[in-house]
Amino acid sequence: AQSVTQLGSHVSVSEGALVLLRCNYSSSVPPYLFWYVQYPNQGLQLLLKYTSAATLVKGINGFEAEFKKSETSFHLTKPSAHMSDAAEYFCAVSGGSNYKLTFGKGTLLTVNP
Amino acid sequence: DAMVIQNPRYQVTQFGKPVTLSCSQTLNHNVMYWYQQKSSQAPKLLFHYYDKDFNNEADTPDNFQSRRPNTSFCFLDIRSPGLGDAAMYLCATSSKGQLGDTQYFGPGTRLTVL
Repeated sequence: AQSVTQLGSHVSVSEGALVLLRCNYSSSVPPYLFWYVQYPNQGLQLLLKYTSAATLVKGINGFEAEFKKSETSFHLTKPSAHMSDAAEYFCAVSGGSNYKLTFGKGTLLTVNP
Repeated sequence: DAMVIQNPRYQVTQFGKPVTLSCSQTLNHNVMYWYQQKSSQAPKLLFHYYDKDFNNEADTPDNFQSRRPNTSFCFLDIRSPGLGDAAMYLCATSSKGQLGDTQYFGPGTRLTVL
């Protein structure tokens, strides 16, 4: 069975500062990992996806994530936060014989002017 | 643009009054999912259809049912909504039901139960 842990339910950064949202996974087989973003009263939008092709994955809106097998991590970063990045971010994993997604509890990102 | 559409975006119902939420997709995907998301929580999978095959999650209450009359449409029926069923309901699709498939989400329907 796979699981995801997102460290920090709420992260607050200043506009222009580095964004770092943490995600650790547990999977008995090489996983597929996803980051989704959810704006208020909206559905989830895919930011990026790891499929083992490359450990550094670039996504939309300037986000990227690095897969580190030794640390079982897939942290999401963005060099410079914009006000429009304020949203809830979910890390998710699928693996083994199961194509369903297992979500982390989410991290709410606040961007201060 | 290909997309997942949910109607209505906001639904108000009364305690115990049956309600149906609708999802349609233009992606021609085989798999359609229904999630329940309560405030500040992760989405919780209720069930999904792989083509016409219905797959219920073990902890989904019997009060929740679903229909998929064709590839494009999927409905969520709540037979007797309780106050605890107030939530955002998200529909998602994926292409082939294979490991690593990306799920594409609709905008959600926010259900209020009075």
